[in-house]
Formats: sequence, C-alpha cells, structure tokens
Amino acid sequence: QVQLVESGGGVVQPGRSLRLSCAASGFTFGSYGMHWVRQAPGKGLEWVAAIWYDGTNKYYGDSVKGRFTISRDNPKSTLYLQMNSLKAEDTAFYYCARDPSGYGFDHWGQGTLVTVSS
Amino acid sequence: NFMLTQPHSVSASPGTTVTISCSGNSGSIASNYVQWFQQRPGSAPTTVIYDHDQRPSGVPDRFSGSIDTSSMSASLTISGLKPEDEADYYCQSYDRINLWVFGGGTKLTVL
Repeated sequence: QVQLVESGGGVVQPGRSLRLSCAASGFTFGSYGMHWVRQAPGKGLEWVAAIWYDGTNKYYGDSVKGRFTISRDNPKSTLYLQMNSLKAEDTAFYYCARDPSGYGFDHWGQGTLVTVSS
Repeated sequence: NFMLTQPHSVSASPGTTVTISCSGNSGSIASNYVQWFQQRPGSAPTTVIYDHDQRPSGVPDRFSGSIDTSSMSASLTISGLKPEDEADYYCQSYDRINLWVFGGGTKLTVL
C-alpha cells in the first residue's frame, strides 16, 4: 500500500535552515507529482510547494518563494524540502502528499513538526 | 485571487445525511478537479474524495462528492453518519494563478 513517511522536523532558531525528507513506498514514485502542505497549530491547510514527476517543474506558495526549495530523488523514492531563512510563522506540521492528476492529493504522510523559535 | 469558502461548522445526528459545501469565487472550481480531505483531531489529513467524485480504496461509499457548475460550488455528502465521521473536512482545487488552494475547513460534529 502507499506509504509516505516524513522526517527531519525539529526545533530551529529563526534565520536557520532545515531539510525535510519524505520516504515513499508502495507505488512507482517517479510516476507521480508530489507536494508539501503545512498546517500551523490550530489552523487550516496551506499548500507549500509542488514538483513534477520528473523534477522538471517546481512551484511554490507566495509565503515560501525564494526561501524553500523542493526536490526529489526518484531512484531513492524520496522527496525533500530545503527550508532556509526560517521564520516563526513557518512553525507548522509539514505533510508530503502524492498527486495523481496535477489537481490535488490522494495520499498523505503522517507529518513532521517544525518549530521555529529562539 | 481564487478562494474556496466552506461553512465553519455543521452538525448532524448519527444515521442521518449531511452535506458540506465548498464555494468558489471563479469558474476554476468547475474546470479543475475538487478534492475533499478528512482530518480527525491529532491526525494527518486523509483523502475521502479526489477528482470531484472518486473515492480512494478503503473509503466507504457513504462518502460522495459532486460539483454544481452553475453555482461554482462543490459538495461533500456523508450518509449514514457515524460517530467516527466527526472531524474537520477541507475542500481543495486548482487554479492556474493561485495553484493549489484549500478551503478554510468545516468542523463536523456528530451529535
């Protein structure tokens, strides 16, 4: 069955960097677009970034553009999110999600918590 | 900006049917697929409907999705409500400018 497992979250000071990973299994990873979605504590869902199945196209939400970079390693079936210049408002659970059609998400990981605090 | 609007909360009794609406402010909701996600307290979201009306394997057929192009809105209908259906529900769609957009979420209470 489809499994997505995020890792790499933790507590980090403002201005520092962090890299999240999402290990995929149970499907042909290189055939699907992938996304990062976040949720601040007690808030709704916010789309963060997307990457095409082959990594050729990448898209970012306005709040993270220029600071975050999405990437993937298809032979390793792993998705990444490099987060630089972190701000307190980046504090959230970060979920990776699979995209079957380009329009949305059909499977989600369990999430990893990023806390930006001094 | 493309936006999706959901009611803040809905409530219904076990065994009944409830419908959660998702209104778009442009035709993007009709021309691009709508997804619905369930999020129970303390858990990650799960997909209950994708591509307007498709159910992932394991999602019971009590969950159904529909789209009304004339009103630029989508709906999630849950029939035969069960206590375990109590959760937050989010709609999501795609827009060429704003890309992947979520509604604000609806808290479903099963009385």
